[in-house]
Amino acid sequence: GAVVSQHPSRVICKSGTSVKIECRSLDFQATTMFWYRQFPKQSLMLMATSNEGSKATYEQGVEKDKFLINHASLTLSTLTVTSAHPEDSSFYICGGGANEQFFGPGTRLTVL
Amino acid sequence: GQNIDQPTEMTATEGAIVQINCTYQTSGFNGLFWYQQHAGEAPTFLSYNVLDGLEEKGRFSSFLSRSKGYSYLLLKELQMKDSASYLCAVSAHRGSTLGRLYFGRGTQLTVWP
Repeated sequence: GAVVSQHPSRVICKSGTSVKIECRSLDFQATTMFWYRQFPKQSLMLMATSNEGSKATYEQGVEKDKFLINHASLTLSTLTVTSAHPEDSSFYICGGGANEQFFGPGTRLTVL
Repeated sequence: GQNIDQPTEMTATEGAIVQINCTYQTSGFNGLFWYQQHAGEAPTFLSYNVLDGLEEKGRFSSFLSRSKGYSYLLLKELQMKDSASYLCAVSAHRGSTLGRLYFGRGTQLTVWP
């Protein structure tokens, strides 16, 4: 299957700082990438759809000014959590592919 | 929205067969996925059904009935390492966006020796 990498795998930051998460498609070109968030014992919730060369589409209730998405190339999408707060602590996962979606290994964000 | 329902928990013994059911209500159906997720890890793709019927892949099989909005994942010859959460996800069109997945809450399977 397709390979998606994600970096960093784990990050701990202080409240108020910004954190950038990178998602790369290693063996396919991704015009669209999806960013999910998963809280403990919960399922994946789609946050936004990242579109190469255009603005991201955000799900209802997700603040676009807080979760900045950039998809500047066909192999890289980034999610920046701005002014992070403890309630933003979660497991962030990116996904991409054609009909079959493959996921990156995830980023565990802990905001102190 | 999309309604995807699957049992919260299931248990089985090593070597047994277990069937995890998933029902869904959706518009713009574009396929159904099953993923396996171990604690603290990202989901791993297991299967994809877009047409009715059974897809077999080794110890795992997945079935889809679009008219009934129903799917199941069948796991045979269970092994301890199969203990994980199994996520049912429906792909649905939304406007011009293809491939967007809606996830169920996941079924936590525990395999006992």
